[in-house]
Formats: sequence, structure tokens, C-alpha cells
Amino acid sequence: DVKVTQSSRYLVKRTGEKVFLECVQDMDHENMFWYRQDPGLGLRLIYFSYDVKMKEKGDIPEGYSVSREKKERFSLILESASTNQTSMYLCASKPGTLDEAFFGQGTRLTVV
Amino acid sequence: ILNVEQSPQSLHVQEGDSTNFTCSFPSSNFYALHWYRWETAKSPEALFVMTLNGDEKKKGRISATLNTKEGYSYLYIKGSQPEDSATYLCAFNNAGNMLTFGGGTRLMVKP
Repeated sequence: DVKVTQSSRYLVKRTGEKVFLECVQDMDHENMFWYRQDPGLGLRLIYFSYDVKMKEKGDIPEGYSVSREKKERFSLILESASTNQTSMYLCASKPGTLDEAFFGQGTRLTVV
Repeated sequence: ILNVEQSPQSLHVQEGDSTNFTCSFPSSNFYALHWYRWETAKSPEALFVMTLNGDEKKKGRISATLNTKEGYSYLYIKGSQPEDSATYLCAFNNAGNMLTFGGGTRLMVKP
């Protein structure tokens, strides 16, 4: 079974803190994604990586950066957390173009 | 920003009713269209990945069709059951492998 693991299920951080959300997949997938989910807005793409050290901005990259130093790990970084980044964050990985994506369990981040 | 739209946003049906939802997407740079089911407290899980115009796929009581020329896909659920209650998401897969999701349709099936 494909496993996509996010480091935390729930996280509470203070405004201005630097926050790291980690995602690890165990199936050698090329493609990894970070989304945030807010009520009524579906899943919005923050960043996408198609290979080690390769990334593309999604629809809402402002306030975020990413790191992919190893194929299995894709990190989302909130440089200076703000209250409007309170959300559910979902990581996904996908082997190839016509393949389905596999999701982690989600991290519910609250910024206070 | 890529425009992937789903309708309706939410739907309440009675057990046994059949229902359908719509996903509309751009017809350019199309590679595949995905459907996912997302149950509360779980991760989204894939239902279908569709690539060819006219594709029809079926899994039990759930089926989907694809029209790439006009940019829409339908998801059908026959004889809805309470366990079908979930959010159904479609996603546009471009040639560069990026996956862009619609806003989802939240289905609630009353027993």
C-alpha cells in the first residue's frame, strides 16, 4: 500500500513563527503536491514538485515556500505564519502523468 | 488560475435516490480528469482517472463520463446510500502533471 505521511495531525503556532510541515511518501513517486483546504473552496494548490529540487508555484504560493532535497520528502514552509494561514493542509504524491494521487491524512494548522 | 468548477456545491438526497454532479474544466492542455471521494476524517481516495473523450468508467453504483471537447465530466451515483455521503472532488491533470481541483460537491444521503 502506498503511504503518504504528514508529520503532524494538529498544530498550533503563533503569528510570526516559522512553521515546517513535512510530508514523506514511501513509493518513489516523482510528483508531490501541497494543498490547503478551506470551507467552500475545495483544495487549492500551493506548490507542486515534479522531481528533486524542482518546483512550480500553484495558485496560492504567497507566504509559502517548499523544499524537496530528497525524492521521498516534500516540506512546506510558512516563513512567518499569519492567522490567514489557519487551514487544513494536505500533501499528495503521484507516480506519473496518468496515475491517481495518494493523499496524506492532513495537518490542521491553527495560527494564533 | 485554472478554472475547474463543480456543481452543485452541496446536495441532500434521500436513500435510494440517484444523483449526479458536474465538473467543468478548460479544454486546452488537457491530459486527464480525476474524480476523488473525500469522507470526513479520512484522506481523499481516487475513484476514476479518465483520459479519452467519450470515456465512461464504472465502479459499483458510481460511474463517470468525460467530454474533453466541451470540457465537462459527470459523476453519477445510482441508488444513493448513507455511506456515499462524502465530498466528491474532480481534478484537472495537465500535461505537466499538475493537478488542479474543483471546489467539490458535498453529498449528504439521508436514511
